[in-house]
Amino acid sequence: NAGVMQNPRHLVRRRGQEARLRCSPMKGHSHVYWYRQLPEEGLKFMVYLQKENIIDESGMPKERFSAEFPKEGPSILRIQQVVRGDSAAYFCASSPGTSPTYEQYFGPGTRLTVT
Amino acid sequence: KQEVTQIPAALSVPEGENLVLNCSFTDSAIYNLQWFRQDPGKGLTSLLLIQSSQREQTSGRLNASLDKSSGRSTLYIAASQPGDSATYLCAVRGGNEKLTFGTGTRLTIIP
Repeated sequence: NAGVMQNPRHLVRRRGQEARLRCSPMKGHSHVYWYRQLPEEGLKFMVYLQKENIIDESGMPKERFSAEFPKEGPSILRIQQVVRGDSAAYFCASSPGTSPTYEQYFGPGTRLTVT
Repeated sequence: KQEVTQIPAALSVPEGENLVLNCSFTDSAIYNLQWFRQDPGKGLTSLLLIQSSQREQTSGRLNASLDKSSGRSTLYIAASQPGDSATYLCAVRGGNEKLTFGTGTRLTIIP
């Protein structure tokens, strides 16, 4: 069973461009979470999705950021009109459900650099 | 709002020593607590998960304890090795499913 896959691993964008980050959860996992790690800071929750539904987006910036988890295909975190402050590592995690016995399994992350 | 604190921020110990990493959280209404390690420039590797009803979990040289009422968890590493050098993160999960992370302890094992 492959782990959580994220691509690309590294992404460079110029200010004003769009960034699309992809996350394929572990097989059998229907819950996806996105976290952001800013330089020299801890990981912060961004959004929690189930198939075709956004469950909690309380950690998402109100503008320019969006996320989806379609019925088919990976989850996508989209950042429009990127700014230098968006430079960070973005991690995706997945779990099979909401039981307290379930771990969240993390992908290797996408490191976004905005120039 | 849940807040998670890890002290110390950095720790250096000679190889072979046993050590303890600390994690404290402000809201005791948690579902579980996970300990992770993160190597520089890498993702997170889950080490141990403790459910709120449990007191401790063990995996190899690692032992994690949880005292929910006092809002504390410890990660005990026995017979430390240079390969244990990494940043260790604790994260608590509340009823809203999201994990709240501490800022980590950067551990260096000196050969």
